[in-house]
Amino acid sequence: QVQLVESGGGVVQPGRSLRLSCVGSGFTFSTKTMHWVRQAPGKGLEWVAVISYDGTNKWSADSVKGRFTISRDNSKNTVYLQMNSLRFDDTAVYYCARERIALVRGAIEGNWLDPWGQGTLVTVSS
Amino acid sequence: DIQMTQSPSSLSASVGDRVTITCRASQSIGRFLNWYQQKPGNAPKVLIYTASSLQTGVPSRFSGSGSGTDFTLTISSLQPEDFATYYCQQSYGTVWTFGQGTKVE
Repeated sequence: QVQLVESGGGVVQPGRSLRLSCVGSGFTFSTKTMHWVRQAPGKGLEWVAVISYDGTNKWSADSVKGRFTISRDNSKNTVYLQMNSLRFDDTAVYYCARERIALVRGAIEGNWLDPWGQGTLVTVSS
Repeated sequence: DIQMTQSPSSLSASVGDRVTITCRASQSIGRFLNWYQQKPGNAPKVLIYTASSLQTGVPSRFSGSGSGTDFTLTISSLQPEDFATYYCQQSYGTVWTFGQGTKVE
């Protein structure tokens, strides 16, 4: 079945770096746009970044722009989130998710996230 | 960026109640609006996509409506397994955003 598995979370000091990975299986990974979403403890969901199926297009939230980089290796069915200059407020569970789209006569009518991985916890602490 | 405002932030309901959650976008987003359910300790799951399409496997008591800036998620008869937090999310353009969530308790 379709599955996403994140890894790479842990405890890191402020200002340091961490790289998260997300491996997809059960679908043709190289044809899907992938996203990262995070959730701080006890808080709501925050969209973080997106990468197109071939890695040529990437966008990120203002809160992480210039510090986080999304990338992918389709030969490994993996999407990454390189997180640099980590701050206390980056503490969160990080989820990866596959984008699905609804096409009507070749036009995108909608897009949403399904499925999501189980998440990996990143704690920024001194 | 497009801001999404959900209301209420929490609500108290009983089994069998009809529950309505609203979501307002800061600009028109057409029907690029999705609803997710999240239970404690679990990843979110999509319930409704493109404003009103029911995800496969989701009970028909869930429904969505709206377009432009105003959207609604309705649970016609609340069941015990529906106590959770619900999020709207816009996918109009390249930067996506979520509402702040509505906890149904």
